[in-house]
Amino acid sequence: DADVTQTPRNRITKTGKRIMLECSQTKGHDRMYWYRQDPGLGLRLIYYSFDVKDINKGEISDGYSVSRQAQAKFSLSLESAIPNQTALYFCATSDPAGQNGELFFGEGSRLTVL
Amino acid sequence: QKEVEQNSGPLSVPEGAIASLNCTYSDRVSQSFFWYRQYSGKSPELIMSIYSNGDKEDGRFTAQLNKASQYVSLLIRDSQPSDSATYLCAVNNLDSSYKLIFGSGTRLLVRP
Repeated sequence: DADVTQTPRNRITKTGKRIMLECSQTKGHDRMYWYRQDPGLGLRLIYYSFDVKDINKGEISDGYSVSRQAQAKFSLSLESAIPNQTALYFCATSDPAGQNGELFFGEGSRLTVL
Repeated sequence: QKEVEQNSGPLSVPEGAIASLNCTYSDRVSQSFFWYRQYSGKSPELIMSIYSNGDKEDGRFTAQLNKASQYVSLLIRDSQPSDSATYLCAVNNLDSSYKLIFGSGTRLLVRP
């Protein structure tokens, strides 16, 4: 089983719908992240969390919100999806005591907004 | 100017050749440098990290860092078709050591 699990893996939705992407991890890491990936733009940070009570905006947080329900769970929500949020979304974790900068990624959630 | 820049490629090399991937970064206080490999449709995985000037070798992979010139490179010796992937350069610094800045990636094609 994957250490970082994302659900759903694929989702097609319509403009204006609310969407939640869920992430759970069994690595025991405190730090969790949500990135989106678009062709030619690499990975961009949406939100990150260092623990259950800590939530921080990344570089492209507009239109998104997150919830850290537990150390192992970090969800990303699109309150009212729009077509330019069509992308591949990755959840990631890291261990601050471990190798600096190593991120452990989930398998990705491909979201299409029509 | 992008913070981390990579040529998008594709870089095409024959099997057995050396593939050279380059990355430049704009923030002089950058401290840590990473290469991630991403196969099509898959998630990125860390293959190399480097923190000080010079070369770091791991098997067929060598990372090279030159902080004065603000570039980091990845050499892949004896390239194999299985090395065909997108290679992402990532950088962080002391001010935001929690946050990696990724380049857009270079696509490598190794021809059999």
